[in-house]
Amino acid sequence: AQTVTQSQPEMSVQEAETVTLSCTYDTSENNYYLFWYKQPPSRQMILVIRQEAYKQQNATENRFSVNFQKAAKSFSLKISDSQLGDTAMYFCAFMRGAGGTSYGKLTFGQGTILTVHP
Amino acid sequence: AAGVIQSPRHLIKEKRETATLKCYPIPRHDTVYWYQQGPGQDPQFLISFYEKMQSDKGSIPDRFSAQQFSDYHSELNMSSLELGDSALYFCASRRETEAFFGQGTRLTVV
Repeated sequence: AQTVTQSQPEMSVQEAETVTLSCTYDTSENNYYLFWYKQPPSRQMILVIRQEAYKQQNATENRFSVNFQKAAKSFSLKISDSQLGDTAMYFCAFMRGAGGTSYGKLTFGQGTILTVHP
Repeated sequence: AAGVIQSPRHLIKEKRETATLKCYPIPRHDTVYWYQQGPGQDPQFLISFYEKMQSDKGSIPDRFSAQQFSDYHSELNMSSLELGDSALYFCASRRETEAFFGQGTRLTVV
């Protein structure tokens, strides 16, 4: 079974600064995908960024980027130029690759509450 | 673009009552997932359907059942409701490796 661990229950950052959220995972799979989801107070689950395990290049999406360390099973999210609208709960999530019955199912970490201060 | 639609958005039930949650996936998405998110918790996988057949099962209580219909919408039926069933219930549909979530149904059991 896969496990996802987010060791930072809460983080805070000043507007316009950079913050990094940590995530580690454990799996014996070689083919998998990793995601960061944002859950604002509205509770909607919004995909922020995704990373394919077979790709060495770190994914980036505008102000969001990841540091994917496959050997260390680490997947951190960096938010640059933080904005007030980034205030939310952030979940790291794991998805097995194709070929198994659990393909497509997401396993989430415990979440990190990020607060951006003006 | 069409999104995953869940209904109702909010539901209040009394203990021991029954609730039915509905999910309408994005057109041409063939897999539907149900998740339960308790207060301050991460979403927990309940059950999934692929092409109208149950494909995987997680920590879903025996009091709960679900199915996917011929039009691909899915329903989660919850009976003998308990206070601990109060949570946000998400449905997600998947295309390849990207899961799209509905806005959730907030169930409150009183």
